Amino acid sequence: NAGVTQTPKFRILKIGQSMTLQCTQDMNHNYMYWYRQDPGMGLKLIYYSVGAGITDKGEVPNGYNVSRSTTEDFPLRLELAAPSQTSVYFCASSYVAGGEYEQYFGPGTRLTVT
Amino acid sequence: GNSVTQMEGPVTLSEEAFLTINCTYTATGYPSLFWYVQYPGEGLQLLLKATKADDKGSNKGFEATYRKETTSFHLEKGSVQVSDSAVYFCALSPSTGNQFYFGTGTSLTVIP
Repeated sequence: NAGVTQTPKFRILKIGQSMTLQCTQDMNHNYMYWYRQDPGMGLKLIYYSVGAGITDKGEVPNGYNVSRSTTEDFPLRLELAAPSQTSVYFCASSYVAGGEYEQYFGPGTRLTVT
Repeated sequence: GNSVTQMEGPVTLSEEAFLTINCTYTATGYPSLFWYVQYPGEGLQLLLKATKADDKGSNKGFEATYRKETTSFHLEKGSVQVSDSAVYFCALSPSTGNQFYFGTGTSLTVIP
């Protein structure tokens, strides 16, 4: 199993450009998440999905969009990049077993908007 | 609501020193509790977890006990190594939901 994979690893965007951060998991997890991590801060939830075709907003969804057409993929879209979106983005997936939840994280995408 | 509070960092220790990183939580119901570790330039990795009161999670010499009476899940290690230098995150997952709530992280540096 590759686990959770994210592409690209690094990206520099100009203000107003758009891009899609890719996330794929091969563990057949129903739940998937996008977080951002600003320097010296914890993780903030952007969007999450409890299954294909179902997405919901997290704590900081403004400026982002997501879709979940398959169990494996959960791309994050930035439509009009702004400097405030400079951050490290982590995708995660989780399973439910006996009422327990456990998250698995990808390696992250470091995004700079200038 | 649900939230996690971690002790402020950064923490600097000498090799073989005892480590405690405090974590307290607020949650409805009976959450699962986690410690994640993030090494420089990498994503978060699960270090240990506990799913009910009085459970002790352990891994790689680290331990944490789920204390419902004090709503705490403090991370401990008896003898830290240089390789333990990382950022440690406490997290909870409520029993009634599928979201995770993370603390702000505690940076640990171990010096030889």
